[in-house]
Amino acid sequence: AQKVTQAQTEISVVEKEDVTLDCVYETRDTTYYLFWYKQPPSGELVFLIRRNSFDEQNEISGRYSWNFQKSTSSFNFTITASQVVDSAVYFCAAASGGSYIPTFGRGTSLIVHP
Amino acid sequence: GAGVSQSPRYKVAKRGQDVALRCDPISGHVSLFWYQQALGQGPEFLTYFQNEAQLDKSGLPSDRFFAERPEGSVSTLKIQRTQQEDSAVYLCASSLGVGGGDTQYFGPGTRLTVL
Repeated sequence: AQKVTQAQTEISVVEKEDVTLDCVYETRDTTYYLFWYKQPPSGELVFLIRRNSFDEQNEISGRYSWNFQKSTSSFNFTITASQVVDSAVYFCAAASGGSYIPTFGRGTSLIVHP
Repeated sequence: GAGVSQSPRYKVAKRGQDVALRCDPISGHVSLFWYQQALGQGPEFLTYFQNEAQLDKSGLPSDRFFAERPEGSVSTLKIQRTQQEDSAVYLCASSLGVGGGDTQYFGPGTRLTVL
């Protein structure tokens, strides 16, 4: 079993600002997987990234970057130079133990104003 | 290629009615998951299939909920005697590998409203 906390319920920024979405996870397992998904207003969850617990290397994909720190059990997501199209709810998830059934956080609603 | 599809997209049921929600996973995907997403919340796990075997149904909220995947592809989530608290979006996801550690691809969901 695992727990995921996304403390930020809603973040509002102006276009071109950088924004970081926080994710803190809890698990007793040494092997686990972490995910970020985007849920735009249309409702369909879109996969962004998957990491396993043995790979702490940070990742950058265009304007998106992820900072995985096992020491603080965090897997934060940064959007650089935000755009209106980034407006969505973002979910962090963790999967560990048994069949690795994911547990999702409550999500952070990001609103990017023009 | 085709993604995960779900039907119907919207369903309105009167309290006490039975409903059936369908999920067509990505072809060849071994694992299939059902989630329930209440308004303003993250998806919550309901059940997991590996091919036709239902390996985990610990998230099903009551015995009114039943899921099947008889041929290891299409899955149906059935809710009997619907209650107002069943109103939610029901999401289906599939993944190529075994278990939830693999990347899951989600369908658009079925929004169920129970009156």
